[in-house]
Amino acid sequence: AQSVAQPEDQVNVAEGNPLTVKCTYSVSGNPYLFWYVQYPNRGLQFLLKYITGDNLVKGSYGFEAEFNKSQTSFHLKKPSALVSDSALYFCAVRDGGSYIPTFGRGTSLIVHP
Amino acid sequence: SAVISQKPSRDICQRGTSLTIQCQVDSQVTMMFWYRQQPGQSLTLIATANQGSEATYESGFVIDKFPISRPNLTFSTLTVSNMSPEDSSIYLCSGAAGSNTGELFFGEGSRLTVL
Repeated sequence: AQSVAQPEDQVNVAEGNPLTVKCTYSVSGNPYLFWYVQYPNRGLQFLLKYITGDNLVKGSYGFEAEFNKSQTSFHLKKPSALVSDSALYFCAVRDGGSYIPTFGRGTSLIVHP
Repeated sequence: SAVISQKPSRDICQRGTSLTIQCQVDSQVTMMFWYRQQPGQSLTLIATANQGSEATYESGFVIDKFPISRPNLTFSTLTVSNMSPEDSSIYLCSGAAGSNTGELFFGEGSRLTVL
């Protein structure tokens, strides 16, 4: 079984400040972890993924995420937030034997000018 | 990455009617999926669309309510049958290129409102 938790429904941050969107997961095997972003009235866009290798992965739009096996976490980060980063962010996990990910409930990121 | 086109992008439907959503991918994909995203909620997988055979439905979803076709590797349709207001939702088509390390890519979604 696989599951994802995004403990925050909403994250508020001022423009220029660093941001973190939290994600923890549970899988029976090796985790394949993903972050997606959804802008209003749009589909989901892929941001980044962790499959293997370096624990810090970099993705689109300056985002990065850190895989922490001991804490079963994969938090999304960005050093300096932009107003245009305001969107809904989804974490997803898949174990190595499945093509189908499980999505978290999503975190609404609001970046204030 | 592949580009997915969905239509209609939105529609307002009457109770009891059915609507078919089309999903076209600009390249061949191994896996295609249909998701539902209800207001303020996460994505729920409806089914995996299998080429040339019956779709594989998740618990709580049945073929009579959500018939799915996939005649080839680039096209699929989802029909929402005998709609009720509870079917008001965003329906998302997604695809995967085949490697199980790959990410999904999504269409823009079809926003259905049932009156």
